[in-house]
Amino acid sequence: SQQGEEDPQALSIQEGENATMNCSYKTSINNLQWYRQNSGRGLVHLILIRSNEREKHSGRLRVTLDTSKKSSSLLITASRAADTASYFCATALYSGGGADGLTFGKGTHLIIQP
Amino acid sequence: GAVVSQHPSRVICKSGTSVKIECRSLDFQATTMFWYRQFPKKSLMLMATSNEGSKATYEQGVEKDKFLINHASLTLSTLTVTSAHPEDSSFYICSARVSLRGRRSYNEQFFGPGTRLTVL
Repeated sequence: SQQGEEDPQALSIQEGENATMNCSYKTSINNLQWYRQNSGRGLVHLILIRSNEREKHSGRLRVTLDTSKKSSSLLITASRAADTASYFCATALYSGGGADGLTFGKGTHLIIQP
Repeated sequence: GAVVSQHPSRVICKSGTSVKIECRSLDFQATTMFWYRQFPKKSLMLMATSNEGSKATYEQGVEKDKFLINHASLTLSTLTVTSAHPEDSSFYICSARVSLRGRRSYNEQFFGPGTRLTVL
């Protein structure tokens, strides 16, 4: 099965700065999703980008997808202390017609210092 | 909308006992639910896909006799960890996909809050 890999594994920045996390994957996908997980908690869906999209915005989040390089990036602008969490990318092979679980990357642990 | 609950949120049990975890979609019907496990500071790994009314599909390396999955209705899936051992201690998370008949769903999944299992 494919694996998504995020980098960096850990990122520590000052509040107010922008945070960029990257994700790479190995096979063709239908869409790629980003999730946030606070320590010991469940996952929060942030944004989904389809394979025919190149960029998507949601509030302070900006996601790009480069299917030729099989990579995606998540940019969080004007970071806040509450953004401290682990961020995972997850890929889906199919649009939903098949029973297809997500394949998660290893995650980036983001720390926003006040 | 699209809320998924899990029960219990935390369970501690003795080695050799069985533990049942419930996953419910509260305000939508989910023909497909997924079970993941997450070890400390690790990513989520898909364990199995649960389809309502049929047998679950397990990922390679996941023992189906060890992790029993039942998807009895469109809003409930259960995972039973049988004869639990300390190495089964983990964070178990379920997700549910909205059933959009006739529409493309893009496989957006809604995740439960997780169940932390500790086997002594």
